[in-house]
Amino acid sequence: DAGITQSPRHKVTETGTPVTLRCHQTENHRYMYWYRQDPGHGLRLIHYSYGVKDTDKGEVSDGYSVSRSKTEDFLLTLESATSSQTSVYFCAISGRDEQFFGPGTRLTVL
Amino acid sequence: DQQVKQNSPSLSVQEGRISILNCDYTNSMFDYFLWYKKYPAEGPTFLISISSIKDKNEDGRFTVFLNKSAKHLSLHIVPSQPGDSAVYFCAASANEGAQKLVFGQGTRLTINP
Repeated sequence: DAGITQSPRHKVTETGTPVTLRCHQTENHRYMYWYRQDPGHGLRLIHYSYGVKDTDKGEVSDGYSVSRSKTEDFLLTLESATSSQTSVYFCAISGRDEQFFGPGTRLTVL
Repeated sequence: DQQVKQNSPSLSVQEGRISILNCDYTNSMFDYFLWYKKYPAEGPTFLISISSIKDKNEDGRFTVFLNKSAKHLSLHIVPSQPGDSAVYFCAASANEGAQKLVFGQGTRLTINP
């Protein structure tokens, strides 16, 4: 298994509070990704990174920001959480031929 | 605009028979396609991939077929086993590799004993 961990694994928060999710890899892969998974939508790309301090927006980036200060860590921040951001969030890293996914973080915004 | 579509939300197949999962895409720039399998409360895991220069790729019980003219790919699982019950996602990229994947909505496969 690829060395990808996500923390926390579960979180319940209230509308308007800031939330940061962490993805940590031990594989030294250049590319890292944040996705959200919602019923009927599959996996949708939020943001991705192609190196330290190099990030770009994905399909559903509104309301999210990311940071990557080290190769191994990729942080996803919800500056002011909304109920529409209740979802399961997956981090991924990619080699040449496939992406490897972390175990996911289930976030509930009340 | 959904560039990758899996039009069947669910599929039920008897154990030992063939499971066929379908995926359609609209972007003619896609040149690399993947299938992922996902169990509840786990991250997706890679199953099999195919480059646009091929029309078939096989790995054990899993075969992926690509029809570029129809912009259609399918995953065949033969024979189907109870452990194959999961959600299957197809994905596509336009960079000859696994960067910036676009995923379909997923198909829930149930294998009945």
